[in-house]
Amino acid sequence: DGGITQSPKYLFRKEGQNVTLSCEQNLNHDAMYWYRQDPGQGLRLIYYSQIVNDFQKGDIAEGYSVSREKKESFPLTVTSAQKNPTAFYLCASSISGGLAGRETQYFGPGTRLLVL
Amino acid sequence: SQELEQSPQSLIVQEGKNLTINCTSSKTLYGLYWYKQKYGEGLIFLMMLQKGGEEKSHEKITAKLDEKKQQSSLHITASQPSHAGIYLCGADRRYGGSQGNLIFGKGTKLSVKP
Repeated sequence: DGGITQSPKYLFRKEGQNVTLSCEQNLNHDAMYWYRQDPGQGLRLIYYSQIVNDFQKGDIAEGYSVSREKKESFPLTVTSAQKNPTAFYLCASSISGGLAGRETQYFGPGTRLLVL
Repeated sequence: SQELEQSPQSLIVQEGKNLTINCTSSKTLYGLYWYKQKYGEGLIFLMMLQKGGEEKSHEKITAKLDEKKQQSSLHITASQPSHAGIYLCGADRRYGGSQGNLIFGKGTKLSVKP
């Protein structure tokens, strides 16, 4: 079955530690996205990538980093510079990132990050 | 920049009742997406609307985009406990940075009492 997987489901971070969230898709989509969701808030865009080896900052990129070495993978690192990392993180993908017009984004199951 | 406002923020209905959720944009909508989210899970795509006056239905859920393309409504007929969750609207971002991406409303939390 095609889809998006995220791991782990829960992640705990100690102060000063960098942690990496995994996102993998087998939908053959070119574009991938990372969002952050806080209680009572909508989704806020962290980073996005429309093609391998290229990515762009979203609205709240500070304290985060990404890489896109393979089409199917878009890992997100939450660095120690992110002072308020506790949130629900969602990864999404779409066919071409809007380059071919309006297109639907499909989401993974999410990773909840908690600070110890 | 463009903002999406959803109303109501939360809604409790008796099973079998109809309900409507609204999504209002501060600017013209070029693509409007409805998603459903169960707590602690990812978003499930419901429907996408593009044209003014467009209406789409899936099972007991109907979504409409008004003629002026600044408001969308999601209507559920004869609600069931399976309809419970958070409904989010998203829109194609056409103003400001990160064009080609989506912006989202804050969501409407729906509870259905059996």
